[in-house]
Amino acid sequence: GQNIDQPTEMTATEGAIVQINCTYQTSGFNGLFWYQQHAGEAPTFLSYNVLDGLEEKGRFSSFLSRSKGYSYLLLKELQMKDSASYLCAVKGFQKLVFGTGTRLLVSP
Amino acid sequence: DGGITQSPKYLFRKEGQNVTLSCEQNLNHDAMYWYRQDPGQGLRLIYYSQIVNDFQKGDIAEGYSVSREKKESFPLTVTSAQKNPTAFYLCASSEAESSYEQYFGPGTRLTVT
Repeated sequence: GQNIDQPTEMTATEGAIVQINCTYQTSGFNGLFWYQQHAGEAPTFLSYNVLDGLEEKGRFSSFLSRSKGYSYLLLKELQMKDSASYLCAVKGFQKLVFGTGTRLLVSP
Repeated sequence: DGGITQSPKYLFRKEGQNVTLSCEQNLNHDAMYWYRQDPGQGLRLIYYSQIVNDFQKGDIAEGYSVSREKKESFPLTVTSAQKNPTAFYLCASSEAESSYEQYFGPGTRLTVT
C-alpha cells in the first residue's frame, strides 16, 4: 500500500522557523517532492530529494531519510506570503502520490 | 511564455450532463496528468498519459475519460457516471516518464448541482 502522512495544520509567527514533517510508506521510491499551494491556485514546485540528506534553496530546505521513510521541509525567516498548503509527494515507479498537505498559517 | 492552460477557471453543470475540461501545454512535454483535489484530501490521480495516443488509469478513473490525440492536449471528460464530480481539477505535465518535476495548470473548479 501507499501512505503519506503530514500534519493537517501548523501555525507560526512572521520571522520564525517552521519544520513540516512527512512520513511515507510506498511501493517503490524514486524521489520525494515538496510543493507549495496557495488557496485556489496550482501547486508550485519547491524541492526534490532522491538521496539522503539536506537540500537547501534560499529560505527553504528539505531533508530526506530513505531508511526512516521521513522527510521535512524547513522554512526560515517566515513571511506572511508563506501562508499556504505544503504538499509532500513521493514518486513511485511512474506516478506521484500526494499527501493531504499541511496548511501553514503565518501570523504577524 | 511556456506553460499549461486550463479552461475555464470555473464551470457549472447540471447533474446528468457530461462535461469536458480542457488542458493545453506548450512545454513540449511528453507526459500529462489529471488530478482531482477535494477539501482535506491530497491530490488524487485520475488519468495519465506518457505519450500521444496512449493513457493509463490512475487511482480514481471511474466516471472519467480522456484522450491524447495531440502532444499538447489532454482533455478530461467528467461523465454522468461520476458520483461526486464537484471538485477542483488540476492538469499537470512533465518532460518524460523519468522526469521528476511536474508543472501544474491553474486548475478548473467544477460545480455540479
